[in-house]
Amino acid sequence: SQTIHQWPATLVQPVGSPLSLECTVEGTSNPNLYWYRQAAGRGLQLLFYSVGIGQISSEVPQNLSASRPQDRQFILSSKKLLLSDSGFYLCAWRRGASGRAGYNEQFFGPGTRLTVL
Amino acid sequence: AQSVTQLGSHVSVSEGALVLLRCNYSSSVPPYLFWYVQYPNQGLQLLLKYTSAATLVKGINGFEAEFKKSETSFHLTKPSAHMSDAAEYFCAVSRQGGKLIFGQGTELSVKP
Repeated sequence: SQTIHQWPATLVQPVGSPLSLECTVEGTSNPNLYWYRQAAGRGLQLLFYSVGIGQISSEVPQNLSASRPQDRQFILSSKKLLLSDSGFYLCAWRRGASGRAGYNEQFFGPGTRLTVL
Repeated sequence: AQSVTQLGSHVSVSEGALVLLRCNYSSSVPPYLFWYVQYPNQGLQLLLKYTSAATLVKGINGFEAEFKKSETSFHLTKPSAHMSDAAEYFCAVSRQGGKLIFGQGTELSVKP
């Protein structure tokens, strides 16, 4: 069976510090990977998605970047955190493209709670 | 372009009462629709999905949803609420490339 891991679970960082959040998926190959942010009392905002190693698409211009150094590893980074980067960060995976690209559901990790002070 | 609207950011029901969470979508192509549930400080868990095989979709934990094309709706229901159903619920529509567009969420409270 497939599992998705995120770490750390919680993080408190000062403004201006760097960030690295990691997501890994087990039990599948060539997944599509996604990073979302969920601000307090709001829905989910798609930040980045990736269909393969080294292939990153950004949905929203911002202070963050993403990388996919391995097939099942997805990293969210920032060089200098802002207060507005606080939120709940969720990683998700989906089976790779099929004839019906939207058919397959996304599976979510447990999330990382980031507080920027 | 696809979009999702969830009517009601907060819904409160009594234990044993009917749960109805509303979702309307906009899509220029036949949609794939999803309902997810999120418990506090956890990730999202898939409840059910509509992929055009049947208009009435049954999911986990006794939930079901009915796709109504004429009303562009995909409302989530459960005949009898349980305390453990208290959570936030998200409706989503799939767009190009398999990405999901989520509604703003509905927080369900269940009163004893």
